[in-house]
Amino acid sequence: DAKTTQPTSMDCAEGRAANLPCNHSTISGNEYVYWYRQIHSQGPQYIIHGLKNNETNEMASLIITEDRKSSTLILPHATLRDTAVYYCIVVTGANSKLTFGKGITLSVRP
Amino acid sequence: DSGVTQTPKHLITATGQRVTLRCSPRSGDLSVYWYQQSLDQGLQFLIQYYNGEERAKGNILERFSAQQFPDLHSELNLSSLELGDSALYFCASSVASWLGEGANVLTFGAGSRLTVL
Repeated sequence: DAKTTQPTSMDCAEGRAANLPCNHSTISGNEYVYWYRQIHSQGPQYIIHGLKNNETNEMASLIITEDRKSSTLILPHATLRDTAVYYCIVVTGANSKLTFGKGITLSVRP
Repeated sequence: DSGVTQTPKHLITATGQRVTLRCSPRSGDLSVYWYQQSLDQGLQFLIQYYNGEERAKGNILERFSAQQFPDLHSELNLSSLELGDSALYFCASSVASWLGEGANVLTFGAGSRLTVL
């Protein structure tokens, strides 16, 4: 599976959009981008995934660049409860053993 | 409540002992995964079962073993415990449509916190 690179941390103000970047320059054609998050000591939570088209669900939007070498997870109106570690993972469409890296720590400030 | 149930929530034991962690997957999910999360290692994949059969193995120690039963619940057995085994152990489940869309959408439980003294 392709390697991903995320900043260590970022913060944003409550009510504003949080844009979390992820680089995956070695992604191959059959690999999906998945995002999970983990709120302190809780089990990780699936957020969204995509292959090449932008995706949106009730939690977030995923924007994947045309060359698929990077993506951005967007939380449109961040709340204090969105403070968590966010993991960007690239895997094939086959059922894989997900590898969680260090992720990016998002701190939402009041 | 994610639908994945893990017991016990907390467990304190001594070095050299053996413990069993239990996981009930979400209704309808056939795959169960075990992950270990310690402070210095992050989330590490241990093992995956699909409908009772071992499907994938990660960096699981020989002192650890797991199985998935006919009712699809799973148990992770940890023996000859060492201080370094202290960690959060997460179970996750998935429908495991083996290929294609959503193949890697996992639902995690709340975890079992193991402390070895």
